[in-house]
Amino acid sequence: GQQVMQIPQYQHVQEGEDFTTYCNSSTTLSNIQWYKQRPGGHPVFLIQLVKSGEVKKQKRLTFQFGEAKKNSSLHITATQTTDVGTYFCAGYSGGSNYKLTFGKGTLLTVNP
Amino acid sequence: KAGVTQTPRYLIKTRGQQVTLSCSPISGHRSVSWYQQTPGQGLQFLFEYFSETQRNKGNFPGRFSGRQFSNSRSEMNVSTLELGDSALYLCASSLSGDLFSPLHFGNGTRLTVT
Repeated sequence: GQQVMQIPQYQHVQEGEDFTTYCNSSTTLSNIQWYKQRPGGHPVFLIQLVKSGEVKKQKRLTFQFGEAKKNSSLHITATQTTDVGTYFCAGYSGGSNYKLTFGKGTLLTVNP
Repeated sequence: KAGVTQTPRYLIKTRGQQVTLSCSPISGHRSVSWYQQTPGQGLQFLFEYFSETQRNKGNFPGRFSGRQFSNSRSEMNVSTLELGDSALYLCASSLSGDLFSPLHFGNGTRLTVT
């Protein structure tokens, strides 16, 4: 079945440093969604990418979808303590599959 | 607009018992998905319902079941609980459940099996 792998599993940075998490799928994705889960909270939708090679920005966050639609990345510039949490990517492989497959997430901690 | 509501927030059960968890989606949302979240396995898909029909099911044993009512509210049931069922159970609703509808998650039900 479809697998979505995310690396790294953990990342600890000093405040102000950059951070990147990578997501790779075993199959071509129709789209990819990114979620953020704060400690003790629930996943919250951040953004969706649909087109091959698409790049979207949200303030200090930059999201990319690979040309082959099998990989994606999330880059945070100049991290802040408010960025702490687990970042998940999730994708559909299309068809009549109403199952969004999540990566295991990257836990980001930020040292002030 | 009220968010996704899950009840109860916490549950403690013993092995062999059964449990029912409830989820009220955002008003107007017709798709409800359930996920199990554990530290080692991340978010594992359980099932998805749309208009009272289960459209997809994850790789969980038959002890895990669910249903959706005509008002889109959903319940999931776990019978014959095992220690390994201890987890955070998250419900998520979306407008149509299609590929492009973002999921809106509830706060989850933390189940502890002793």
